[in-house]
Amino acid sequence: AQRVTQPEKLLSVFKGAPVELKCNYSYSGSPELFWYVQYSRQRLQLLLRHISRESIKGFTADLNKGETSFHLKKPFAQEEDSAMYYCALSSSGTYKYIFGTGTRLKVLA
Amino acid sequence: DTGVSQDPRHKITKRGQNVTFRCDPISEHNRLYWYRQTLGQGPEFLTYFQNEAQLEKSRLLSDRFSAERPKGSFSTLEIQRTEQGDSAMYLCASSLGRTSPEAFFGQGTRLTVV
Repeated sequence: AQRVTQPEKLLSVFKGAPVELKCNYSYSGSPELFWYVQYSRQRLQLLLRHISRESIKGFTADLNKGETSFHLKKPFAQEEDSAMYYCALSSSGTYKYIFGTGTRLKVLA
Repeated sequence: DTGVSQDPRHKITKRGQNVTFRCDPISEHNRLYWYRQTLGQGPEFLTYFQNEAQLEKSRLLSDRFSAERPKGSFSTLEIQRTEQGDSAMYLCASSLGRTSPEAFFGQGTRLTVV
């Protein structure tokens, strides 16, 4: 079955501390992995796509096919990073997404 | 705002009534998706269109749900004989499809069935 698991509903860190939001997936085939973010009172928006291998707002994510993981990392958290983060996978072709349940990140001053 | 727009933003309806939501995608996007999100969950796929053709429907989409995208432009999602379990945020997203899979989401329509 295709599934995305985000084990933490809430993650609180202090400003300047490293952040890692966990994401594991189950998929038969070669999925594409994404991280979407939703800031307070804003719409869901793309943060990262594994194929692009970019760093966006200081965040990076590496696809580990052996561990079927796509954890999101940032070395130094900022208060403006506080938001809801969703990991998602899609199959090439349809690009419909399967989302995880999300992790709320709170960065404390 | 030239992004995806959804109307209405909020809808309260009595159980058993029919409701219709509208989504206007980004104009050059040929793919349009509907998702449903309940409290504490991530968005769940309902259906998607490539231009005017509805290419896939989730098992979540019971026969009380119907979606259309006439002329490949805006889309409507209708729920007939609403039930309390239909209460959720209904999200619309659009994308360029194969050339760029990034989905641009609307702000959603929050449905409350009382």
